[in-house]
Amino acid sequence: GQQVMQIPQYQHVQEGEDFTTYCNSSTTLSNIQWYKQRPGGHPVFLIQLVKSGEVKKQKRLTFQFGEAKKNSSLHITATQTTDVGTYFCAGLRTTDSWGKLQFGAGTQVVVTP
Amino acid sequence: DSGVTQTPKHLITATGQRVTLRCSPRSGDLSVYWYQQSLDQGLQFLIQYYNGEERAKGNILERFSAQQFPDLHSELNLSSLELGDSALYFCASSPGVHAADTQYFGPGTRLTVL
Repeated sequence: GQQVMQIPQYQHVQEGEDFTTYCNSSTTLSNIQWYKQRPGGHPVFLIQLVKSGEVKKQKRLTFQFGEAKKNSSLHITATQTTDVGTYFCAGLRTTDSWGKLQFGAGTQVVVTP
Repeated sequence: DSGVTQTPKHLITATGQRVTLRCSPRSGDLSVYWYQQSLDQGLQFLIQYYNGEERAKGNILERFSAQQFPDLHSELNLSSLELGDSALYFCASSPGVHAADTQYFGPGTRLTVL
C-alpha cells in the first residue's frame, strides 16, 4: 500500500484562489520531490527538498518540508488555469539509498475560470 | 520535451501475450527507472538500472523483466499479460545512480490488455 499519503485526492479551485496539498509519510524521508503531471502528459519534476524545515518558492508555488522530515506541503497562490494537473510528491526513505522513490497517489487539481 | 523517448506510444494486446516496451534515456544519463501508473495504484516504481546493471527493485511482478543495454537504452518485457496489467508505463532517466537525482520522465506507453 501507499507509504506516502497525499491529501486531498481532488481539489476543485476557483481561478484566483489559493490552495494547499499535503504529503505525509509514515517514515522519515531523506528528501522529497514534487512533480506535476498535466492531463495526458508525463510527470515533470518541480523541486526537491532536503533539509528539515526547508521552504522553497517558485513564483506562485511554495514548497515546505516538515521539521521531522515526514511531511511536506505545496501551496499555490492565485491559482491559474495553467495550474491544472496532478501534483505528486515522492519521498526517498532514509533506509533506501538507491532507487525507491515512493510516490503519493497525487492531488488532481481542477481550476474553474 | 524531456529528452527521454519511449516506444510504442500505444499498445493493444490480448491476455496471455508478451510485449516489449522500449526506452531511450536522455543523452548522458546512466540510470533508467520504470514506473507503472494505473488509475487505482498511482505511480508505482518497478525497477532501476544504472549503467547496465540492476540497482533497485520495487513492486515488479515475476512476469515482468527489464534490461539495460550497452547503449543505455532499456526494455521492459511483460509476459503472460493479464487485464490488470493495463496501465501507463513510464520510464525516467537521471544522470547518476541515486533516486535523489532529478528524474526526467518519458511520454509513456499506454498498454491496453483485452
